[in-house]
Amino acid sequence: GIQVEQSPPDLILQEGANSTLRCNFSDSVNNLQWFHQNPWGQLINLFYIPSGTKQNGRLSATTVATERYSLLYISSSQTTDSGVYFCAVEGMIYNQGGKLIFGQGTELSVKP
Amino acid sequence: KAGVTQTPRYLIKTRGQQVTLSCSPISGHRSVSWYQQTPGQGLQFLFEYFSETQRNKGNFPGRFSGRQFSNSRSEMNVSTLELGDSALYLCASSLPKTSLYTFGSGTRLTVV
Repeated sequence: GIQVEQSPPDLILQEGANSTLRCNFSDSVNNLQWFHQNPWGQLINLFYIPSGTKQNGRLSATTVATERYSLLYISSSQTTDSGVYFCAVEGMIYNQGGKLIFGQGTELSVKP
Repeated sequence: KAGVTQTPRYLIKTRGQQVTLSCSPISGHRSVSWYQQTPGQGLQFLFEYFSETQRNKGNFPGRFSGRQFSNSRSEMNVSTLELGDSALYLCASSLPKTSLYTFGSGTRLTVV
């Protein structure tokens, strides 16, 4: 099956700093989403980005499908950005539909 | 509009008991999938339902089962609970023919 690797596993930033989180995947994908898991456990959609670049405020994401990686950029980080960021993909094979494969996450801590 | 609703939020059960968790998808979403999150294994796919049919299943023992009703609400059941079943159980829903998944807040199950 598809393997998803995220780096770095942990990241500590000072408030105001910028960061880049990376997600590598081992095969062609039909879907790629970035999530932020809040302290209560809910996965919050950040981006649906199987290819291309998107921006939403201080966050942006780029997926290069041909090279099988995606990047999540966080600019001017705030303490509220702390938490775990997950990348998840869905394979292109029919019987992998409805099944997101998650990376192990990047745990971000933003210090005031 | 209402998001994905999972009930209950917290559960404590004893080894050997069984448990049923509920997930109500976003209105109009017909696909519901379930995930287990543990510190050791991360987020793992359990199963996915569409129009009351299980379309995809993860690598979990038969003690884990689910179903979907005609209104797209889904339940998952775990029988003969083991300590290792302690986890956050998340469900997600999506529109037909899209791959954009929205997650609920989860049910945190503790088995003692």
